[in-house]
Amino acid sequence: SAVISQKPSRDICQRGTSLTIQCQVDSQVTMMFWYRQQPGQSLTLIATANQGSEATYESGFVIDKFPISRPNLTFSTLTVSNMSPEDSSIYLCSVNEKGAEGNEQFFGPGTRLTVL
Amino acid sequence: GNSVTQMEGPVTLSEEAFLTINCTYTATGYPSLFWYVQYPGEGLQLLLKATKADDKGSNKGFEATYRKETTSFHLEKGSVQVSDSAVYFCALRGTGGFKTIFGAGTRLFVKA
Repeated sequence: SAVISQKPSRDICQRGTSLTIQCQVDSQVTMMFWYRQQPGQSLTLIATANQGSEATYESGFVIDKFPISRPNLTFSTLTVSNMSPEDSSIYLCSVNEKGAEGNEQFFGPGTRLTVL
Repeated sequence: GNSVTQMEGPVTLSEEAFLTINCTYTATGYPSLFWYVQYPGEGLQLLLKATKADDKGSNKGFEATYRKETTSFHLEKGSVQVSDSAVYFCALRGTGGFKTIFGAGTRLFVKA
């Protein structure tokens, strides 16, 4: 199974600043995703990170606010721009990998962001 | 579109009690169904899954059966432990799809 690491694991940031979160996978994967989990809530898909092209954003999320890079098949970054307290969440990187029983999805440990 | 509805929490049980967390879904075709668990301060882990009707997923004493006739995938455990305290998410992935849709999550507290 894919092993996913994220940096930083947590951060406290000031309003108006930006934070870039890194996601590293120990194997090449086609599909990488970024999710947000707001306090006490479920996971919401932000975007699919496409290697070599622009990310595909879900409704309610835009590139200016959440720019994503995917330079190769093992790495992606998500930037949370011009942060406000409403951006305080856990941000999770996720990948799909072909397993013995079909596609399986794995999640990174998450980045816990607090915006003051 | 596809959606997942699961029972609201929190659910509070005593150790060794029987657990049921209800989950129903709306989807076209034959989605794959999942239960994920998130322990305090940790990331999301796959608990169990079922990919076709009447399949039973099981892991760590937890079970869930894919019921197409009732569009349900209820999570059960015969005897919970304090260490089972966590948030449980029901999820689905559509036929041929790659996006996972999550329910709202159910927080479980188990008292000693």
